[in-house]
Amino acid sequence: AQSVTQLDSQVPVFEEAPVELRCNYSSSVSVYLFWYVQYPNQGLQLLLKYLSGSTLVKGINGFEAEFNKSQTSFHLRKPSVHISDTAEYFCAVSDAGKSTFGDGTTLTVKP
Amino acid sequence: DAGVTQSPTHLIKTRGQQVTLRCSPISGHKSVSWYQQVLGQGPQFIFQYYEKEERGRGNFPDRFSARQFPNYSSELNVNALLLGDSALYLCASSLVAGNNQPQHFGDGTRLSIL
Repeated sequence: AQSVTQLDSQVPVFEEAPVELRCNYSSSVSVYLFWYVQYPNQGLQLLLKYLSGSTLVKGINGFEAEFNKSQTSFHLRKPSVHISDTAEYFCAVSDAGKSTFGDGTTLTVKP
Repeated sequence: DAGVTQSPTHLIKTRGQQVTLRCSPISGHKSVSWYQQVLGQGPQFIFQYYEKEERGRGNFPDRFSARQFPNYSSELNVNALLLGDSALYLCASSLVAGNNQPQHFGDGTRLSIL
């Protein structure tokens, strides 16, 4: 069975500082990993995905993530955050026709 | 192009009632999935439909059912509503069913049970 653990429920950070949101996963077969962002009262928007190939994946809004098979991790990073990055971030693994999501990390960017 | 659209946006029901939620996928997308998102948690998988057939089912009771129509739109039905069914219900579409397919989400239907 697949599972996703987001290690930080809340991450406060100052504007223009770097940030890392941590995600560990378990999956019994081939791994397809995703990061989504959810703004208040909205659905989820895809930030980036890892399907195969290069372990460093670049996404929208300046985010990137690194797939680490040995550590079963897929951490999300951004070198300099903006106020507008304040949102809920979800890591997900896809397997057997369904996606399993973590419980989310609330990123709060302070001025 | 229009994204995934869900209706209604908000709904209030009482215990024991039945509810139908609707979803229209992005044009050209043939797969629709439904998720339940309880406050403070990530989305939980309920169903996936592809080409009008159920392709996956999450760990939800039989009170939950769904179907997909020839135009690929979908309905989620929940019978005998319980207080614990209060949640944001999200619909997501993808071109085809597959583990490597990113999903495109609608803004959800917020269901409140009194």
